[in-house]
Amino acid sequence: ETGVTQTPRHLVMGMTNKKSLKCEQHLGHNAMYWYKQSAKKPLELMFVYNFKEQTENNSVPSRFSPECPNSSHLFLHLHTLQPEDSALYLCASSQTRGTGRGTQYFGPGTRLTVL
Amino acid sequence: TQLLEQSPQFLSIQEGENLTVYCNSSSVFSSLQWYRQEPGEGPVLLVTVVTGGEVKKLKRLTFQFGDARKDSSLHITAAQPGDTGLYLCAGPNQAGTALIFGKGTTLSVSS
Repeated sequence: ETGVTQTPRHLVMGMTNKKSLKCEQHLGHNAMYWYKQSAKKPLELMFVYNFKEQTENNSVPSRFSPECPNSSHLFLHLHTLQPEDSALYLCASSQTRGTGRGTQYFGPGTRLTVL
Repeated sequence: TQLLEQSPQFLSIQEGENLTVYCNSSSVFSSLQWYRQEPGEGPVLLVTVVTGGEVKKLKRLTFQFGDARKDSSLHITAAQPGDTGLYLCAGPNQAGTALIFGKGTTLSVSS
C-alpha cells in the first residue's frame, strides 16, 4: 500500500465530455505530481505542486487543468480531450519538491480512454 | 536535453535465470533511481544510487551506478515469476525539480 489513492481507476470519455481525476495522499507530504504514461514513451511529468502552489507546468495543453486545494488532494480536470490523450495518468507525492534522493510515492493510476 | 535510454526494451526468461538491464545517458546525473511497476499499479521505488561506482544489493537484485554517473545497471540473480514487471530508471533534471524517466524494460519471468 503506497498511501496514494486515485479515483476513478478507469475512465472512458468522449471528446466533448468534462471529467475530473482525483488523487489523495495520506503520507503528510508537501509535493504532489501528475504524470502521463503512454505506451512506448517514458513517463511524462505534467504538473508539480509544492505546498499547494503550482511550481511546474511541463508545457501541458490547456485542456488539462490541475487543481490543488490542499497538500493532500490533487485534481486533474479534463475537457475536450483528444484520442491521443488516452493513457495512464499517475499521481505521485513526495516529502518535498526536490527529487534528487527522495522517494516519490505513486498511486495506482487512472486508465483514461478518449473516444 | 537529458535522456535515459533503457535496454533491452523487453526480456522474457525462465525462472532461475540471471539477467541484467541497463540505463544509459550521455548526461551526468547526481543520482539515479530504479522503480518497478506491476500491471495495474504505479511505480514503486527499489533503490537510489548516489555515488559513482556505488553498488547496492536488495536480496537478489544488485544495482550499480557507473563511475562517471552516466549509467546504471540492475542485475537479478535466479529470477522468479514475482520479479515480472516494468523496470524504470529515473534521475533528477538539472534543476532538481522533477524526475526524468527512461522508457523502461518489461521483464517476464515464467515458471
